[in-house]
Amino acid sequence: IAGITQAPTSQILAAGRRMTLRCTQDMRHNAMYWYRQDLGLGLRLIHYSNTAGTTGKGEVPDGYSVSRANTDDFPLTLASAVPSQTSVYFCASSDGSEGNTEAFFGQGTRLTVV
Amino acid sequence: GQNIDQPTEMTATEGAIVQINCTYQTSGFNGLFWYQQHAGEAPTFLSYNVLDGLEEKGRFSSFLSRSKGYSYLLLKELQMKDSASYLCAVKDSNYQLIWGAGTKLIIKP
Repeated sequence: IAGITQAPTSQILAAGRRMTLRCTQDMRHNAMYWYRQDLGLGLRLIHYSNTAGTTGKGEVPDGYSVSRANTDDFPLTLASAVPSQTSVYFCASSDGSEGNTEAFFGQGTRLTVV
Repeated sequence: GQNIDQPTEMTATEGAIVQINCTYQTSGFNGLFWYQQHAGEAPTFLSYNVLDGLEEKGRFSSFLSRSKGYSYLLLKELQMKDSASYLCAVKDSNYQLIWGAGTKLIIKP
């Protein structure tokens, strides 16, 4: 089934630990995104990639890094987790970034940093 | 700064009609999206408006006024399964989506 897959679905992580959230899509979409969603706030863009080999910073990039080695995969790494990174993380992809291209979302990763 | 405003929560009755408003102030405008998000799930696309006017899609319609920085999502013949959060998002001049915090819609029998 075509779509976008995230792993893990949930994780409890000790502060200071390194963690990589995985995201894979099989729709051959050029653009991919990482968002965090916190109660009372809109989705906030962490990092994005308009095409394989390129990445860009979003609204809240500090403490996070990404890579885009190929079209399908877009992992998000927390180098040294802090409690303020407790959130639900959504990966999304779209067929281009312009105009009416809708974003398709993964099921999310619920991360708790303790 | 960029800002998307939506009511935090609304309540409506099964079978009725509800209108969810969204106002925006963004640097540039390249379209407005509405997404539906059930609790614990991913957002899913509902509608897209880039020109002024009403777009109808089944029980759901979305309206846009670019001069007023205003949109609404109209849900007709409400069903219990429509209980969800509805997210308004605008593509800015850099084609990045700016998201509102979402409106939680509660449907009562």
